[in-house]
Amino acid sequence: DGGITQSPKYLFRKEGQNVTLSCEQNLNHDAMYWYRQDPGQGLRLIYYSQIVNDFQKGDIAEGYSVSREKKESFPLTVTSAQKNPTAFYLCASSIRGTAYEQYFGPGTRLTVT
Amino acid sequence: DQQVKQNSPSLSVQEGRISILNCDYTNSMFDYFLWYKKYPAEGPTFLISISSIKDKNEDGRFTVFLNKSAKHLSLHIVPSQPGDSAVYFCAASTNSGGSNYKLTFGKGTLLTVNP
Repeated sequence: DGGITQSPKYLFRKEGQNVTLSCEQNLNHDAMYWYRQDPGQGLRLIYYSQIVNDFQKGDIAEGYSVSREKKESFPLTVTSAQKNPTAFYLCASSIRGTAYEQYFGPGTRLTVT
Repeated sequence: DQQVKQNSPSLSVQEGRISILNCDYTNSMFDYFLWYKKYPAEGPTFLISISSIKDKNEDGRFTVFLNKSAKHLSLHIVPSQPGDSAVYFCAASTNSGGSNYKLTFGKGTLLTVNP
């Protein structure tokens, strides 16, 4: 059963701590993306990767870091430098060379207090 | 600068009637448009798309219309069902300059279909 998994569903951290969100896909997609959604806002692109060992900053990359060591995995680290980390984080993937019809994971709700 | 705009934060319709969700864009380089549906605390799911070379695409109860001259697209749902209640996001992409990797999303419209 192909798809994208994100874990955990809910995550709580203290301010000042780094936290890593997991994203795994078995769709054999080359491209993967991380978005952030805030209440009343659309999805904003944090980072994206078109291929293994390569990634680019999106529109709101400050305070975040990623790695792409495997095709299936694209973890996102929310660092202590991110001013407002509390949000709903969504991972997506698509066929390489196109952002059309991205497939999304279920999301991770991160709360930092 | 918001390149994809969904000016109606919410829409309420009666079951069986038509739902019309609107989306405007400013970037004339956008050449592919998509609609996503999202339930609370879940990831968005792809609903329907349209290329800029077309002005209409239909899939069952869902039809997307594109008016390039007005930089406007709309999603029609007929007949609306209570299960259609969700947030609908409009998204756009462009192939220009090799930047076809990104989708630009609107802020979404919450559709409520009342029984």
